[in-house]
Amino acid sequence: QSALTQPASVSGSPGQSITISCTGTSSDVGAYNYVSWYQQHPGKAPKLMIYDVSNRPSGVSFRFSGSKSGSRASLTISGLQAEDEADYYCSSYTSSSTWVFGGGTRLTVL
Amino acid sequence: EVQLVESGGGLVQPGGSLRLACAASAFTFNIYEMSWVRQAPGKGLEWLSYISSSGDTIYYADSLKGRFTISRDNAKNSLYLQMNNLRAEDTAVYYCARIGCTSTSCFDYWGQGTLVTVSS
Repeated sequence: QSALTQPASVSGSPGQSITISCTGTSSDVGAYNYVSWYQQHPGKAPKLMIYDVSNRPSGVSFRFSGSKSGSRASLTISGLQAEDEADYYCSSYTSSSTWVFGGGTRLTVL
Repeated sequence: EVQLVESGGGLVQPGGSLRLACAASAFTFNIYEMSWVRQAPGKGLEWLSYISSSGDTIYYADSLKGRFTISRDNAKNSLYLQMNNLRAEDTAVYYCARIGCTSTSCFDYWGQGTLVTVSS
């Protein structure tokens, strides 16, 4: 199972919006609406930010939103804040009853 | 508050074995599916293994090639990962994660991780 494809890095200024893409195949992202997104600050455990493509867990800011079209999912962060600077990973359930992660995207808030 | 606490990491020689444990608290462990995920230094997340709530159903990443075994003890609220024939490329922080969300498709809680270093 190959990793999902994410850009290595994205950047934006405070207050701006950014979008991180996550490209998979018809066996994972394209097969189910089971894409999730995780935020990871240095030295910390990942934190769930979006699940089932576009749902936010309790406590996650409304500035985080997710979407999907075909085998490509996206995470959008609006109103960028300094604390959003972190690594972001997408994940998808697969048709093999396994999970696959993206390679990760480093978000820099300029 | 849901807590997952991993233990058992450390330095091990190539070819050696290690057993990781994950102690769960503040939720009904025996109704949740669980997984192990690892992260090599400076690298991304890699899903390793899944176990159903009863332990009857187990899946592994192909990359493990039968060297790792996941198990659980619901009476002890604990998840385990037995790792054999360890290689340098197994060096990573190992996380246990609860599988949650409405579709049981995401990892809604993670432990702090335990570092495994494979080196002579």
